[in-house]
Amino acid sequence: QQQVKQSPQSLIVQKGGISIINCAYENTAFDYFPWYQQFPGKGPALLIAIRPDVSEKKEGRFTISFNKSAKQFSLHIMDSQPGDSATYFCAASMSSGYSTLTFGKGTMLLVSP
Amino acid sequence: EAGVAQSPRYKIIEKRQSVAFWCNPISGHATLYWYQQILGQGPKLLIQFQNNGVVDDSQLPKDRFSAERLKGVDSTLKIQPAKLEDSAVYLCASSLGDTFSYNEQFFGPGTRLTVL
Repeated sequence: QQQVKQSPQSLIVQKGGISIINCAYENTAFDYFPWYQQFPGKGPALLIAIRPDVSEKKEGRFTISFNKSAKQFSLHIMDSQPGDSATYFCAASMSSGYSTLTFGKGTMLLVSP
Repeated sequence: EAGVAQSPRYKIIEKRQSVAFWCNPISGHATLYWYQQILGQGPKLLIQFQNNGVVDDSQLPKDRFSAERLKGVDSTLKIQPAKLEDSAVYLCASSLGDTFSYNEQFFGPGTRLTVL
């Protein structure tokens, strides 16, 4: 059972454009939603995270939008740069107890110069 | 602060052979995780330790996979015997281990395993 569905599988954006990646979850017990960035040969690294008590969180060029009723959340990368080219994973977890992450399948982003 | 260390970085073995991966978490982190990341997919949790006790191993194929975390610090993940479908990147992660709030997981660079 895939509890976190992520789309698109891959994305090509021109430099300066907006990259948008979407995720949907099923388990209503999830209350912590991080996004991870992974470069080739490296482990995933936390990029930005949100809790369901807010509808949006912004950190620099990265914004998470959260829709609790639809059980969906998305990552927006403004002014996309070639250095943003990486694989992005959404994930979901419960914020208390032993925090196990459930990951989406990932989106490979390529920002063309 | 040193990150999560893993070795080896790459391993190629024949099917039915055995292999072991090592992980050294960030100092002071009580929780240690092993994930399997198959090409084109997100990481899947194999086993989670809190200090030297197992918290979750529900997705660990116990007929061939084993893991231990002696003394609550370093950990070893073993596969015996390996199958072709075990080809993946094995990621180790660690976190502080406070069960009252979410603790960020820090990932190591992973071990890429190829089973021929």
